[in-house]
Amino acid sequence: EAGVAQSPRYKIIEKRQSVAFWCNPISGHATLYWYQQILGQGPKLLIQFQNNGVVDDSQLPKDRFSAERLKGVDSTLKIQPAKLEDSAVYLCASSLDRQNYGYTFGSGTRLTVV
Amino acid sequence: GQNIDQPTEMTATEGAIVQINCTYQTSGFNGLFWYQQHAGEAPTFLSYNVLDGLEEKGRFSSFLSRSKGYSYLLLKELQMKDSASYLCAVSSRGTALIFGKGTTLSVSS
Repeated sequence: EAGVAQSPRYKIIEKRQSVAFWCNPISGHATLYWYQQILGQGPKLLIQFQNNGVVDDSQLPKDRFSAERLKGVDSTLKIQPAKLEDSAVYLCASSLDRQNYGYTFGSGTRLTVV
Repeated sequence: GQNIDQPTEMTATEGAIVQINCTYQTSGFNGLFWYQQHAGEAPTFLSYNVLDGLEEKGRFSSFLSRSKGYSYLLLKELQMKDSASYLCAVSSRGTALIFGKGTTLSVSS
């Protein structure tokens, strides 16, 4: 079984620039999550999708972050404009459904904002 | 709201036993998870407890007390490769997992 694919692996941008991350979940996994992990901290949920609908985006800074999951498969997370404090690892995870806690994480995208 | 506390750092030597504690406060508790995360890598699933008691899986065991809001991860026969961050995560009412800040374990020879 292929894992959760994320790209790019690393990204360095200047503040106020925009950036986008891509995630391809495990085939058949209906639920997809984006987490932000700042160095030295645990992952923090940004947004949860069930198929192509948003279940929870209460912690997503909507003035600068956006995410979509077209056709209920791949997902993109965008930051525009980026701030220094957005430097973090952005992890994508998927599970069969909301009640299944067999989360599989992707390798993440390490973002550095300078 | 939810609150998860675990120690920031721990050290131990090869072959020893270490216990990493986690306390939590949440409404609608639905399970507690432990994940292992090596530096620069994604978290990987270690264990899941929903009922009180001890779950054993090889060198790793996890314990849960729902009444006390307390869990621990027990690692036996420590190896150098066990040096990693250990994340405690709580599920409530079918929502996405909420993670603690993680405990960085350093194993020395």
